[in-house]
Amino acid sequence: KNEVEQSPQNLTAQEGEFITINCSYSVGISALHWLQQHPGGGIVSLFMLSSGKKKHGRLIATINIQEKHSSLHITASHPRDSAVYICAVRGPGETSGSRLTFGEGTQLTVNP
Amino acid sequence: NAGVTQTPKFQVLKTGQSMTLQCAQDMNHNSMYWYRQDPGMGLRLIYYSASEGTTDKGEVPNGYNVSRLNKREFSLRLESAAPSQTSVYFCASSERGGSYEQYFGPGTRLTVT
Repeated sequence: KNEVEQSPQNLTAQEGEFITINCSYSVGISALHWLQQHPGGGIVSLFMLSSGKKKHGRLIATINIQEKHSSLHITASHPRDSAVYICAVRGPGETSGSRLTFGEGTQLTVNP
Repeated sequence: NAGVTQTPKFQVLKTGQSMTLQCAQDMNHNSMYWYRQDPGMGLRLIYYSASEGTTDKGEVPNGYNVSRLNKREFSLRLESAAPSQTSVYFCASSERGGSYEQYFGPGTRLTVT
Protein backbone atom coordinates (compact mmCIF):
# COMPACT_ATOMS: atom_id res chain seq x y z
CA LYS A 1 0.00 0.00 0.00
CA ASN A 2 1.30 3.42 -0.90
CA GLU A 3 1.92 5.75 2.00
CA VAL A 4 1.25 9.41 1.28
CA GLU A 5 2.76 12.05 3.56
CA GLN A 6 1.98 15.73 3.34
CA SER A 7 3.86 18.60 4.94
CA PRO A 8 3.24 20.82 6.65
CA GLN A 9 0.03 19.71 8.36
CA ASN A 10 -0.89 23.31 9.10
CA LEU A 11 0.32 26.48 7.42
CA THR A 12 -0.49 30.11 8.19
CA ALA A 13 0.59 32.83 5.77
CA GLN A 14 0.11 36.53 5.16
CA GLU A 15 -1.69 37.67 2.06
CA GLY A 16 0.70 37.93 -0.85
CA GLU A 17 3.15 35.29 0.36
CA PHE A 18 4.41 32.44 -1.82
CA ILE A 19 3.22 29.10 -0.43
CA THR A 20 4.54 25.58 -0.91
CA ILE A 21 2.83 22.39 0.19
CA ASN A 22 4.70 19.11 -0.15
CA CYS A 23 3.60 15.54 -0.83
CA SER A 24 5.80 12.43 -0.65
CA TYR A 25 4.78 8.87 -1.46
CA SER A 26 6.46 5.53 -0.86
CA VAL A 27 5.76 3.48 -3.98
CA GLY A 28 5.88 4.27 -7.71
CA ILE A 29 2.72 5.82 -9.09
CA SER A 30 0.93 6.36 -12.38
CA ALA A 31 -0.84 9.58 -11.41
CA LEU A 32 -0.92 12.17 -8.63
CA HIS A 33 -3.86 14.42 -7.80
CA TRP A 34 -4.06 17.69 -5.90
CA LEU A 35 -7.47 18.51 -4.43
CA GLN A 36 -8.85 21.49 -2.53
CA GLN A 37 -11.42 21.13 0.23
CA HIS A 38 -13.28 24.34 0.98
CA PRO A 39 -14.19 25.41 4.51
CA GLY A 40 -17.77 24.37 3.72
CA GLY A 41 -16.58 20.83 2.99
CA GLY A 42 -16.79 20.64 -0.82
CA ILE A 43 -13.88 19.00 -2.63
CA VAL A 44 -12.62 20.06 -6.05
CA SER A 45 -9.86 18.68 -8.19
CA LEU A 46 -7.03 21.14 -8.87
CA PHE A 47 -4.53 19.08 -10.84
CA MET A 48 -3.86 15.59 -12.07
CA LEU A 49 -0.29 14.97 -13.20
CA SER A 50 2.06 12.10 -13.96
CA SER A 51 5.19 14.06 -14.84
CA GLY A 52 6.63 17.56 -15.02
CA LYS A 53 4.67 20.63 -14.10
CA LYS A 54 1.19 22.11 -14.53
CA LYS A 55 0.01 25.68 -13.98
CA HIS A 56 -3.46 27.08 -13.52
CA GLY A 57 -3.73 30.73 -12.61
CA ARG A 58 -1.75 31.29 -9.41
CA LEU A 59 -1.41 27.57 -8.73
CA ILE A 60 1.53 25.46 -9.89
CA ALA A 61 1.98 21.73 -9.32
CA THR A 62 5.23 19.88 -9.90
CA ILE A 63 6.19 16.25 -9.60
CA ASN A 64 9.58 14.50 -9.40
CA ILE A 65 8.98 10.84 -10.16
CA GLN A 66 12.52 9.74 -9.23
CA GLU A 67 12.30 11.40 -5.80
CA LYS A 68 8.64 10.35 -5.27
CA HIS A 69 7.72 13.92 -4.41
CA SER A 70 5.26 16.57 -5.54
CA SER A 71 4.79 20.20 -4.58
CA LEU A 72 1.85 22.55 -4.85
CA HIS A 73 2.77 26.22 -5.03
CA ILE A 74 0.46 29.20 -4.62
CA THR A 75 1.79 32.55 -5.77
CA ALA A 76 0.48 35.86 -4.41
CA SER A 77 -1.68 34.05 -1.83
CA HIS A 78 -5.10 35.46 -0.91
CA PRO A 79 -7.46 34.81 2.00
CA ARG A 80 -9.80 32.98 -0.41
CA ASP A 81 -7.03 30.36 -0.83
CA SER A 82 -7.68 29.27 2.78
CA ALA A 83 -8.66 25.62 2.54
CA VAL A 84 -7.40 22.09 3.06
CA TYR A 85 -5.16 20.88 0.24
CA ILE A 86 -5.10 17.12 -0.31
CA CYS A 87 -2.62 14.99 -2.26
CA ALA A 88 -3.72 11.62 -3.66
CA VAL A 89 -1.88 9.00 -5.71
CA ARG A 90 -2.77 6.12 -8.00
CA GLY A 91 -0.39 3.20 -8.08
CA PRO A 92 1.16 1.87 -11.29
CA GLY A 93 -0.53 -0.54 -13.65
CA GLU A 94 -3.97 -2.00 -13.87
CA THR A 95 -3.61 -3.80 -10.54
CA SER A 96 -4.26 -0.47 -8.86
CA GLY A 97 -7.61 -0.28 -10.57
CA SER A 98 -9.44 2.91 -9.75
CA ARG A 99 -8.02 3.28 -6.29
CA LEU A 100 -6.46 6.44 -4.97
CA THR A 101 -4.54 6.72 -1.70
CA PHE A 102 -4.96 10.08 0.01
CA GLY A 103 -2.76 12.16 2.29
CA GLU A 104 -4.27 13.65 5.44
CA GLY A 105 -4.29 17.13 3.96
CA THR A 106 -2.63 20.47 4.70
CA GLN A 107 -4.74 23.15 6.38
CA LEU A 108 -3.81 26.52 4.84
CA THR A 109 -4.91 29.81 6.42
CA VAL A 110 -4.08 33.06 4.62
CA ASN A 111 -4.54 36.17 6.74
CA PRO A 112 -5.28 39.58 5.19
CA ASN B 1 -25.01 20.21 -15.40
CA ALA B 2 -25.46 19.34 -11.74
CA GLY B 3 -22.23 17.31 -11.62
CA VAL B 4 -22.34 14.85 -8.72
CA THR B 5 -25.32 15.03 -6.38
CA GLN B 6 -25.75 13.25 -3.06
CA THR B 7 -28.71 12.83 -0.75
CA PRO B 8 -29.25 13.37 2.08
CA LYS B 9 -26.87 16.14 3.22
CA PHE B 10 -27.28 15.31 6.90
CA GLN B 11 -28.58 12.22 8.71
CA VAL B 12 -28.78 11.04 12.31
CA LEU B 13 -29.33 7.33 12.92
CA LYS B 14 -29.65 5.19 15.99
CA THR B 15 -27.38 2.16 16.33
CA GLY B 16 -28.84 -0.73 14.35
CA GLN B 17 -30.89 1.35 11.94
CA SER B 18 -30.35 1.07 8.21
CA MET B 19 -30.17 3.67 5.51
CA THR B 20 -29.12 4.22 1.91
CA LEU B 21 -27.04 7.13 0.67
CA GLN B 22 -27.84 8.08 -2.88
CA CYS B 23 -25.41 9.42 -5.47
CA ALA B 24 -25.95 10.42 -9.09
CA GLN B 25 -23.76 11.98 -11.77
CA ASP B 26 -24.73 13.53 -15.07
CA MET B 27 -21.31 13.60 -16.74
CA ASN B 28 -21.59 10.14 -18.37
CA HIS B 29 -18.67 8.93 -16.26
CA ASN B 30 -17.81 5.25 -16.13
CA SER B 31 -16.26 5.11 -12.65
CA MET B 32 -17.89 6.01 -9.35
CA TYR B 33 -16.60 5.91 -5.77
CA TRP B 34 -17.71 6.11 -2.17
CA TYR B 35 -15.30 7.58 0.38
CA ARG B 36 -15.48 8.36 4.05
CA GLN B 37 -13.60 11.19 5.72
CA ASP B 38 -12.75 11.14 9.42
CA PRO B 39 -10.82 13.71 11.49
CA GLY B 40 -7.06 13.10 11.40
CA MET B 41 -7.33 10.62 8.53
CA GLY B 42 -7.28 11.03 4.81
CA LEU B 43 -10.21 10.14 2.61
CA ARG B 44 -10.62 6.37 2.56
CA LEU B 45 -12.21 4.38 -0.22
CA ILE B 46 -15.19 2.25 0.85
CA TYR B 47 -16.30 0.79 -2.48
CA TYR B 48 -15.92 1.70 -6.10
CA SER B 49 -17.46 0.83 -9.43
CA ALA B 50 -15.06 0.92 -12.35
CA SER B 51 -17.92 0.63 -14.82
CA GLU B 52 -21.65 -0.06 -14.93
CA GLY B 53 -22.35 -3.53 -13.64
CA THR B 54 -19.16 -3.91 -11.58
CA THR B 55 -18.34 -3.07 -7.97
CA ASP B 56 -15.22 -3.71 -5.91
CA LYS B 57 -14.21 -3.32 -2.29
CA GLY B 58 -11.97 -0.49 -1.27
CA GLU B 59 -9.94 0.01 1.88
CA VAL B 60 -12.79 0.00 4.45
CA PRO B 61 -15.79 -1.99 3.07
CA ASN B 62 -16.96 -3.72 6.27
CA GLY B 63 -20.49 -2.74 7.27
CA TYR B 64 -21.40 -1.34 3.87
CA ASN B 65 -22.97 -2.55 0.63
CA VAL B 66 -23.24 -0.80 -2.70
CA SER B 67 -25.35 -0.95 -5.83
CA ARG B 68 -24.45 0.47 -9.23
CA LEU B 69 -28.04 0.90 -10.34
CA ASN B 70 -27.15 2.20 -13.79
CA LYS B 71 -24.41 4.35 -15.28
CA ARG B 72 -25.64 7.45 -13.45
CA GLU B 73 -26.37 6.14 -9.96
CA PHE B 74 -24.29 4.49 -7.24
CA SER B 75 -25.82 3.95 -3.82
CA LEU B 76 -24.23 3.06 -0.48
CA ARG B 77 -26.19 1.10 2.11
CA LEU B 78 -25.59 0.74 5.81
CA GLU B 79 -27.53 -2.35 6.91
CA SER B 80 -27.04 -1.97 10.66
CA ALA B 81 -25.44 1.35 11.55
CA ALA B 82 -22.75 1.52 14.24
CA PRO B 83 -21.25 4.56 16.00
CA SER B 84 -17.95 3.80 14.20
CA GLN B 85 -19.72 4.72 10.96
CA THR B 86 -20.18 8.32 12.10
CA SER B 87 -18.36 10.18 9.36
CA VAL B 88 -18.67 12.43 6.34
CA TYR B 89 -19.36 10.42 3.20
CA PHE B 90 -18.37 11.61 -0.27
CA CYS B 91 -19.40 10.19 -3.59
CA ALA B 92 -17.16 10.87 -6.59
CA SER B 93 -16.99 10.00 -10.26
CA SER B 94 -14.37 10.00 -13.00
CA GLU B 95 -14.38 9.34 -16.70
CA ARG B 96 -12.51 6.10 -16.09
CA GLY B 97 -10.11 5.18 -13.33
CA GLY B 98 -7.65 6.85 -11.00
CA SER B 99 -5.65 8.51 -13.75
CA TYR B 100 -8.60 10.73 -14.57
CA GLU B 101 -9.81 13.78 -12.68
CA GLN B 102 -12.33 12.94 -9.96
CA TYR B 103 -15.44 15.02 -9.36
CA PHE B 104 -16.88 15.00 -5.85
CA GLY B 105 -20.37 15.38 -4.48
CA PRO B 106 -21.13 17.79 -1.62
CA GLY B 107 -20.93 15.11 1.06
CA THR B 108 -23.31 13.55 3.60
CA ARG B 109 -22.67 14.13 7.30
CA LEU B 110 -23.84 11.00 9.14
CA THR B 111 -24.05 10.67 12.91
CA VAL B 112 -24.84 7.31 14.51
CA THR B 113 -25.83 7.50 18.16
